[in-house]
Amino acid sequence: SQTIHQWPATLVQPVGSPLSLECTVEGTSNPNLYWYRQAAGRGLQLLFYSVGIGQISSEVPQNLSASRPQDRQFILSSKKLLLSDSGFYLCAWGRGTELFFGEGSRLTVL
Amino acid sequence: RKEVEQDPGPFNVPEGATVAFNCTYSNSASQSFFWYRQDCRKEPKLLMSVYSSGNEDGRFTAQLNRASQYISLLIRDSKLSDSATYLCAVNLAPGTASKLTFGTGTRLQVTL
Repeated sequence: SQTIHQWPATLVQPVGSPLSLECTVEGTSNPNLYWYRQAAGRGLQLLFYSVGIGQISSEVPQNLSASRPQDRQFILSSKKLLLSDSGFYLCAWGRGTELFFGEGSRLTVL
Repeated sequence: RKEVEQDPGPFNVPEGATVAFNCTYSNSASQSFFWYRQDCRKEPKLLMSVYSSGNEDGRFTAQLNRASQYISLLIRDSKLSDSATYLCAVNLAPGTASKLTFGTGTRLQVTL
């Protein structure tokens, strides 16, 4: 069966510091991968998606970037965090039209 | 108008009650529809897909109304464990598999 892992689960970072969130999927090959963010009291916002190694589509202009160095690995990064980057970051993989989420990474920027 | 819109609630219902949520979407060409359940501070989990003919899974029934561009979720015989936020999700742009747009969620609180 397919599983998806995200880490770290929780992190507190100062403004201006870098960020790296990692996501890996097991049990499937060439999945579509997604990064969503859920800010406090708001809905899920699609940030990036990838249909293959090195292929990244950005949905909204922002302070973040994504990379897919391996088939089942998806990384979300920032060089300098802003206060507005705080939120619950969710990686997901797609099977057909369905999405399945990892457990999420909760980021607080102070 | 938001692309996918839900009543945020909260819906406070007694155990055993029937409760229904609606979700409207903006693009009439949308093809795929889903309901997710999200517990507090957890990731959303797929509850059920919504098919044109409607579908039922135990106490849960999902329906699609293309003419009025909304989907619905009906929960019968509510349990305390049904308390959660229910998110609807729509693939607004056919051809972009799994690229879902989510509503902000409807919070359900089931009480004794």
